[in-house]
Amino acid sequence: DTAVSQTPKYLVTQMGNDKSIKCEQNLGHDTMYWYKQDSKKFLKIMFSYNNKELIINETVPNRFSPKSPDKAHLNLHINSLELGDSAVYFCASSQEGDSYEQYFGPGTRLTVT
Amino acid sequence: ELKVEQNPLFLSMQEGKNYTIYCNYSTTSDRLYWYRQDPGKSLESLFVLLSNGAVKQEGRLMASLDTKARLSTLHITAAVHDLSATYFCAAGQGGSEKLVFGKGMKLTVNP
Repeated sequence: DTAVSQTPKYLVTQMGNDKSIKCEQNLGHDTMYWYKQDSKKFLKIMFSYNNKELIINETVPNRFSPKSPDKAHLNLHINSLELGDSAVYFCASSQEGDSYEQYFGPGTRLTVT
Repeated sequence: ELKVEQNPLFLSMQEGKNYTIYCNYSTTSDRLYWYRQDPGKSLESLFVLLSNGAVKQEGRLMASLDTKARLSTLHITAAVHDLSATYFCAAGQGGSEKLVFGKGMKLTVNP
């Protein structure tokens, strides 16, 4: 009965590889987000989708490509991984009209070696 | 551009003591959130403050919002070790789901 789930929880890969992280929410929310939390714990939004439509696209390298097959899922694909991509990536969801309160997934710790 | 600042960023306090932490934001915001993060864990929503003068309390934590001063406070009463965590505030602007987070305050409560 997990509200926002992510897979995998841990991801260790080498530079130059391509990887994907998946997110699913069962809260019936319309909006989903990807955040990056760096080693200093600073949390920054990357993307947001509302009903499968991209609405927030921060200054993120175009190696990062989000995809939302439906409003309950938001995946993040990363091409040509670099050392600086190592971080914890959090997915979140919210519902308009519900104070926009965001509910976070457990996070995916990505380590690029 | 909305910016959010928290202070202090690190706080070590003894059990039983009280303390207030601050969250300032740079431009008009109609939504202020407090989250807690334990090491290696996700963010847990603590408070949602949506109007000037809003005050919410949960256990030993009380949050308030002053939109005119662009300030939110999180007051800790009689701290206990279980409150040790990193606390984030985040502000949002009307018409957008985007939240801007502060850098987080790492709280350590010593027995």
